[in-house]
Amino acid sequence: QLQLQESGPGLVKPSETLSLTCTVSGGSISSSSYYWGWIRQPPGKGLEWIGSIYYSGNTDYNPSLKSRVTISVDTSKNQFSLNLNSVTAADTAVYYCARQGYYGSGSWGALDIWGQGTKVTVSS
Amino acid sequence: DIQMTQPPSSLSASVGDRVTITCRASQSISTYLNWYQQKPGKAPNLLIYAASHLQSGVPSRFSGSGSGTDFTLTISSLQPEDFATYYCQQTYSAPHTFGQGTKLEIK
Repeated sequence: QLQLQESGPGLVKPSETLSLTCTVSGGSISSSSYYWGWIRQPPGKGLEWIGSIYYSGNTDYNPSLKSRVTISVDTSKNQFSLNLNSVTAADTAVYYCARQGYYGSGSWGALDIWGQGTKVTVSS
Repeated sequence: DIQMTQPPSSLSASVGDRVTITCRASQSISTYLNWYQQKPGKAPNLLIYAASHLQSGVPSRFSGSGSGTDFTLTISSLQPEDFATYYCQQTYSAPHTFGQGTKLEIK
């Protein structure tokens, strides 16, 4: 049974970098059928897709965050990571990692397996 | 970006009711439309993918339909555990935007 687990600091200071890691267990991150993504949800609000990465390192980012976001993958550890720099209070949210189906040729599927989420607060 | 709209933002219904939740895309997305259920404090759970395909393990009272710009999620007979927030998401083009959600409440 594939599982995803987010980890990282729950408190980040304004202007600093938010760094989270998602560990994949029960299966390989190096599958040609999936991308691995990050989604966030501010308190009391809806879901925002941040971006995703293929095991080869190919990435796709939300243009609204692209200038501040880096997603990377470490296939040897079966992990992928999110870095979001220059954070403000608006980046306070629950951050989820998830597996996203990929059919090839820029054709994407659903987010079918999610981590439990990790709450990150941006505050001094 | 493709905008996803889910009117209304909340809906009241009773156990046993048939409920339809709508989602509209700002441009055609073929059938690249997914539905998720989220309960408070929990991660979203995939219900329907590619507009009409039931995810494994999801009860058959859930169904989805639509193509192009207009989509619906139907719950044929509401159960107590179905009171939650429902989100649609398009995966036609990045960014893979979500609707703002429809909260299904007990009448």
